[in-house]
Amino acid sequence: NAGVTQTPKFQVLKTGQSMTLQCAQDMNHEYMSWYRQDPGMGLRLIHYSVGAGITDQGEVPNGYNVSRSTTEDFPLRLLSAAPSQTSVYFCASRRTGYKEKLFFGSGTQLSVL
Amino acid sequence: AQTVTQSQPEMSVQEAETVTLSCTYDTSESDYYLFWYKQPPSRQMILVIRQEAYKQQNATENRFSVNFQKAAKSFSLKISDSQLGDAAMYFCAYRSTNFGNEKLTFGTGTRLTIIP
Repeated sequence: NAGVTQTPKFQVLKTGQSMTLQCAQDMNHEYMSWYRQDPGMGLRLIHYSVGAGITDQGEVPNGYNVSRSTTEDFPLRLLSAAPSQTSVYFCASRRTGYKEKLFFGSGTQLSVL
Repeated sequence: AQTVTQSQPEMSVQEAETVTLSCTYDTSESDYYLFWYKQPPSRQMILVIRQEAYKQQNATENRFSVNFQKAAKSFSLKISDSQLGDAAMYFCAYRSTNFGNEKLTFGTGTRLTIIP
């Protein structure tokens, strides 16, 4: 049981480049989400999805796009990377319901130069 | 909107001693969940303990326990018999029970150092 898998683990981009952070889970979880972690600011929600075809914005959505075509996958797209997007990104998933435990991936360290 | 505050950026404790990490939150809701997550240097987020607001009994998980004061909106984590493996960042988090607003709101974290 792989859980939540994020790729890549590390990435360096130049300003203006685009890329996609991949997230896949094999637990058939309906709810998936993306967080970014910055020093001194904890984890902040970027986007989330409550099921295939349904996505919504979180606290800091600007500069990021998401889609949810399957239950398993929830990619995060940076269309034009900016230095302010340098951060550690976490994908997380759980079953529907506020009582359910949130499972995290191992994170992606992204640096934008 | 809910907010979570961790006022101790760093804490240290001698091995085998007890340490308490503080967390306060602000909400107008009466039912919610509170969590403590541990993030070791490996970066993995690990759920330590969770508390349901409607339960008056404080949650415990082995050496970890909480002091949940609902009226004061306080949710502290006590680690007993501290071990070297407890060294990590600890995050307090809040989750609403309202459908459609189930995101986790995190505090800024407390870095815990264990002194051998």
